[in-house]
Amino acid sequence: DQQVKQNSPSLSVQEGRISILNCDYTNSMFDYFLWYKKYPAEGPTFLISISSIKDKNEDGRFTVFLNKSAKHLSLHIVPSPPGDSAVYFCAASAHGTYKYIFGTGTRLKVLA
Amino acid sequence: EAGVTQFPSHSVIEKGQTVTLRCDPISGHDNLYWYRRVMGKEIKFLLHFVKESKQDESGMPNNRFLAERTGGTYSTLKVQPAELEDSGVYFCASSQDQNYGYTFGSGTRLTVV
Repeated sequence: DQQVKQNSPSLSVQEGRISILNCDYTNSMFDYFLWYKKYPAEGPTFLISISSIKDKNEDGRFTVFLNKSAKHLSLHIVPSPPGDSAVYFCAASAHGTYKYIFGTGTRLKVLA
Repeated sequence: EAGVTQFPSHSVIEKGQTVTLRCDPISGHDNLYWYRRVMGKEIKFLLHFVKESKQDESGMPNNRFLAERTGGTYSTLKVQPAELEDSGVYFCASSQDQNYGYTFGSGTRLTVV
């Protein structure tokens, strides 16, 4: 049973527009959430994280929103250049553990 | 600062053979992790070292997988004997603490034929 779900396997957006990637989780013990970006033949690269005590965290073009009651988080990327085309993974961990539970990823394609 | 280094980048072996993957974490990172991604699915946790000790090995699939981190520096992950379902990309990551996310290596793509 998947505890972290990314229900959209792929997403296409026009260059310069906002990209919104979604993630749902089922385990109420999760209190730390992260987004990673992955290019082909490379390892995942950390983008941004959020603790469960917050509902929003912003870092440059990236903003993560957390809705604890809905067990949902989203990553907003504004604007989106073609170089952002990659697979984006959502991950979560529970307090006191260093183990991350990843979703299956969403392939973002930014169209020029 | 050098990143997390994994070797080899690719490995093709026959079913029943043995393969050893190596990971060199970022210098000074006590925490080292192994993850695996199979057939484009989620990236799954295998195990976690703190220095040379196994902190959590709950994700190891079975006793054909053996991970070591002698001296608390680099780590090896041995698969013996390899089966077809072991094919995938094996990622190593390291961190000093939890707050800023792991740093992943580029992975080793293992193909068992």
